[in-house]
Amino acid sequence: NAGVTQTPKFRILKIGQSMTLQCTQDMNHNYMYWYRQDPGMGLKLIYYSVGAGITDKGEVPNGYNVSRSTTEDFPLRLELAAPSQTSVYFCASSLGRLNTEAFFGQGTRLTVV
Amino acid sequence: EDKVVQSPLSLVVHEGDTVTLNCSYEVTNFRSLLWYKQEKKAPTFLFMLTSSGIEKKSGRLSSILDKKELFSILNITATQTGDSAIYLCAVGTSYDKVIFGPGTSLSVIP
Repeated sequence: NAGVTQTPKFRILKIGQSMTLQCTQDMNHNYMYWYRQDPGMGLKLIYYSVGAGITDKGEVPNGYNVSRSTTEDFPLRLELAAPSQTSVYFCASSLGRLNTEAFFGQGTRLTVV
Repeated sequence: EDKVVQSPLSLVVHEGDTVTLNCSYEVTNFRSLLWYKQEKKAPTFLFMLTSSGIEKKSGRLSSILDKKELFSILNITATQTGDSAIYLCAVGTSYDKVIFGPGTSLSVIP
């Protein structure tokens, strides 16, 4: 059982470039999330989705976009990458609402130079 | 503003010691408190607490919530080197918001 799978694991971007972080889950969870984690700062919610076709902003959505065309996939798009977006990104999913147990992917370490 | 505070931020102990990690919170419309363990990569779920005074246990780990004083503790007894990790506390609200604390970095040395 794969759980939550993120790709790529590492990426270096130049300022102004764009990229998509992929996330897929095979647990048939309705709820999916994208977090970023900066050193000593915990996890900050970027965007979340409560089901296919429905997305909403979290705490730090600026500079990012998401889509949810299927239950399984929840890609995160970075447009015009900036050094402030250097971080570790985690995708997660849960069976219940946001405030219940979440299953996390292995993370993507992104560096913008 | 909703916030979650954890203490200490880092801790070094010897194998066999018992540790207590603290999480305090100020949020609107509390719904749940969750503990996660983060080793090198993805956080993994430990406990979810919704009621005061009811201890949850899993092996050497246990946790309890005090909704009156707005805090939770995570206890680890007879620590092992495999317990070395960052322990994250998160609080969920009725508005579908989850706020994470900064984490406590625990190092267990032989």
